[in-house]
Amino acid sequence: GAGVSQSPRYKVAKRGQDVALRCDPISGHVSLFWYQQALGQGPEFLTYFQNEAQLDKSGLPSDRFFAERPEGSVSTLKIQRTQQEDSAVYLCASSYMTSGSTDTQYFGPGTRLTVL
Amino acid sequence: GNSVTQMEGPVTLSEEAFLTINCTYTATGYPSLFWYVQYPGEGLQLLLKATKADDKGSNKGFEATYRKETTSFHLEKGSVQVSDSAVYFCALRTGGGADGLTFGKGTHLIIQP
Repeated sequence: GAGVSQSPRYKVAKRGQDVALRCDPISGHVSLFWYQQALGQGPEFLTYFQNEAQLDKSGLPSDRFFAERPEGSVSTLKIQRTQQEDSAVYLCASSYMTSGSTDTQYFGPGTRLTVL
Repeated sequence: GNSVTQMEGPVTLSEEAFLTINCTYTATGYPSLFWYVQYPGEGLQLLLKATKADDKGSNKGFEATYRKETTSFHLEKGSVQVSDSAVYFCALRTGGGADGLTFGKGTHLIIQP
């Protein structure tokens, strides 16, 4: 079956531009997570959705970052007025269950964002 | 807060050597523990997990035991192969369902033939 897909795979933006990154989770997965992975570092949690509800956005680094999942499936991470420090790989993950720390999260290939 | 510390890389070993990658954690609450692997050019994949103290997760010859007394989850394999070359991430998640995984910085493993 299809895994988590993300698009675009690579994005180059000029500083100050807005970008939108898309995530298609595994069909039927209730939970969706966004992570940011800087070069040479582990992924860091950004935000979490249960269906269409954004239950945790504590990891979003600034109010320039915004995520949505309006119909409980596809999600979009938007970054406004991009800065060089936003350059990273943005990972999306989904899991089947609504809660529980034992859930396996399935990761997409990521979108590599480079801000010039 | 939650944090994961794992040994710095790169770790370079010869084929058939014994592997240990150390991982220790701090957590509020009772975490589940995970090892993820990232092969060159691929996305993160779950390697193994353990959900309670003294549990042993295992997969593809890799093992890790949840040690609550030492807050550790070290990854081991008895005989590594060139195909095991990858970046390995230790991670934890505490309960409640709303929080994401907390990852270590990753350990780059290089296996030489």
